[in-house]
Amino acid sequence: GAGVSQSPSNKVTEKGKDVELRCDPISGHTALYWYRQSLGQGLEFLIYFQGNSAPDKSGLPSDRFSAERTGGSVSTLTIQRTQQEDSAVYLCASSLLGKYEQYFGPGTRLTVT
Amino acid sequence: RKEVEQDPGPFNVPEGATVAFNCTYSNSASQSFFWYRQDCRKEPKLLMSVYSSGNEDGRFTAQLNRASQYISLLIRDSKLSDSATYLCVVRRGGSYIPTFGRGTSLIVHP
Repeated sequence: GAGVSQSPSNKVTEKGKDVELRCDPISGHTALYWYRQSLGQGLEFLIYFQGNSAPDKSGLPSDRFSAERTGGSVSTLTIQRTQQEDSAVYLCASSLLGKYEQYFGPGTRLTVT
Repeated sequence: RKEVEQDPGPFNVPEGATVAFNCTYSNSASQSFFWYRQDCRKEPKLLMSVYSSGNEDGRFTAQLNRASQYISLLIRDSKLSDSATYLCVVRRGGSYIPTFGRGTSLIVHP
């Protein structure tokens, strides 16, 4: 079946602009995670959605970052007033309810110039 | 002390060699453990879960040592295609948020 998809695959934006990154999880997966990975660094947790529950936003680095998940499926990560330090690969993962194995999308490579 | 620590490597081994990586975790309440592999400029992919009794999947064997708080990954008969970064992932009980190690780089050469 189809895996996790993300779009765009690459995004170049100017400092100060807003960007939206999209994630489409595996069908039937109720849990959805956003991470970011800077060059040569580990994965940094950003936000977690589980079904219709309130999201765990504890990893969001600033109030410029927000995310929503509509209809329990597609999620959008929004970064407002982008800064150069936001440049990274943004990865989305999904998993089944009650399972902790995660399946990742190919990521969005964000470059802020 | 970091919650999950891995030797970054690189481990440089010839084809056919056996290689092992360890990963230590600091939180004794950790309950779920995984190994992922990540190829250069690609997303992480689940390699295997790690069970208390240890488990094997073909050439790969994972072990958990709760007393010493580490997990290990053993790769036998290394292939060129095993070259990747291996990420250790730990989840503590009561949390849905896993912690990823920064990975161990493996390079298998002819």
